[in-house]
Amino acid sequence: KAGVTQTPRYLIKTRGQQVTLSCSPISGHRSVSWYQQTPGQGLQFLFEYFSETQRNKGNFPGRFSGRQFSNSRSEMNVSTLELGDSALYLCASSLTGEYNEQFFGPGTRLTVL
Amino acid sequence: GQQVMQIPQYQHVQEGEDFTTYCNSSTTLSNIQWYKQRPGGHPVFLIQLVKSGEVKKQKRLTFQFGEAKKNSSLHITATQTTDVGTYFCAAPPYSSASKIIFGSGTRLSIRP
Repeated sequence: KAGVTQTPRYLIKTRGQQVTLSCSPISGHRSVSWYQQTPGQGLQFLFEYFSETQRNKGNFPGRFSGRQFSNSRSEMNVSTLELGDSALYLCASSLTGEYNEQFFGPGTRLTVL
Repeated sequence: GQQVMQIPQYQHVQEGEDFTTYCNSSTTLSNIQWYKQRPGGHPVFLIQLVKSGEVKKQKRLTFQFGEAKKNSSLHITATQTTDVGTYFCAAPPYSSASKIIFGSGTRLSIRP
């Protein structure tokens, strides 16, 4: 069974730009969660999607948004990038949600210059 | 709101020594999960504890869930270089309006 895939793996952007990250969950998994990981703040929950609906949201500004498609693939968008958005963005899929074991993807390393 | 504290932040041990990381919640948990993240890698699920006082073992790793379901620990016996990484606990949302909370992690490094 293929694992969670994320594209791109690395991204360099400049302040003010926007970025879209993609996540393909494990086949059959309907829940996709997104996390931001930084050395200072650790793993911070961004949002969770289940059956194309945002089911839960973390404490991030509106510049961070996401969506999920009917095939469970998910995208995350960050607009008006700031230097502080530089981080590893991790996607995790699970069968039904956060109470279940989460399978993380390799992450997208975003650098904002 | 719910808070999850994990200690210590770092632990540097000699290979063969034991290692323990602790996770404490401000609220009672329905369950707790543990993850390991190798350097340069992504978190990998280790285990989920559900019952009060539960103890589970995976080879040299022993996981405990406190009687009050507000704390948990991960103990590694006789560490090996393959144990290097950061260990996170994760507390599930306590309500439909809350979110999963990861502990800050304990970074384990080992002197061979």
